[in-house]
Amino acid sequence: GNSVTQMEGPVTLSEEAFLTINCTYTATGYPSLFWYVQYPGEGLQLLLKATKADDKGSNKGFEATYRKETTSFHLEKGSVQVSDSAVYFCALSALTGGGNKLTFGTGTQLKVEL
Amino acid sequence: NAGVTQTPKFQVLKTGQSMTLQCAQDMNHEYMSWYRQDPGMGLRLIHYSVGAGITDQGEVPNGYNVSRSTTEDFPLRLLSAAPSQTSVYFCASSYSGIGGRGYNEQFFGPGTRLTVL
Repeated sequence: GNSVTQMEGPVTLSEEAFLTINCTYTATGYPSLFWYVQYPGEGLQLLLKATKADDKGSNKGFEATYRKETTSFHLEKGSVQVSDSAVYFCALSALTGGGNKLTFGTGTQLKVEL
Repeated sequence: NAGVTQTPKFQVLKTGQSMTLQCAQDMNHEYMSWYRQDPGMGLRLIHYSVGAGITDQGEVPNGYNVSRSTTEDFPLRLLSAAPSQTSVYFCASSYSGIGGRGYNEQFFGPGTRLTVL
């Protein structure tokens, strides 16, 4: 079956530090890959996505590249801000019957301090 | 647009009680789904629907029922609440996508925090 593995948190960084959150996946076929962000007390919001190998998704300074050879989709940001403190979820959606079923990783909590 | 709305925001039940979590969307999305979020486990799919009158089970369907009589609404029913159902529940919706490709953005509601004593 499909699965997503992402690095455990919490991750604590100083403002302006470089961020990497690792994500690897197992899936049959050619999944689409996503990063969702959950701010405290809120639902999930799509941060970025990539639908095929070598695609790079980007948004709000965050980037992730779909690497089929390493089955990875690592999230990066060059300079984090306190406002980036949230829980980040890696997810995949595979080409099976039933449309948009998402398989999520366990989430990585990021805390950015001044 | 209100997007995806969920009610109630918080609920406390006693073991054995039943209740319905409400979910509505005003974006005319075909696809709707329910997830539960538990610490250290991410989000897990409970039930989903690809259109009015069509529902199917996800990864963890036991103890929950759903129906989809309209495009807008997708309620989740707990038949006999158990402490193991203590969780945060999220409803999500999206367009179903051309040819079933699963790359359409899912929009999530704010969640319902349920405690079963």
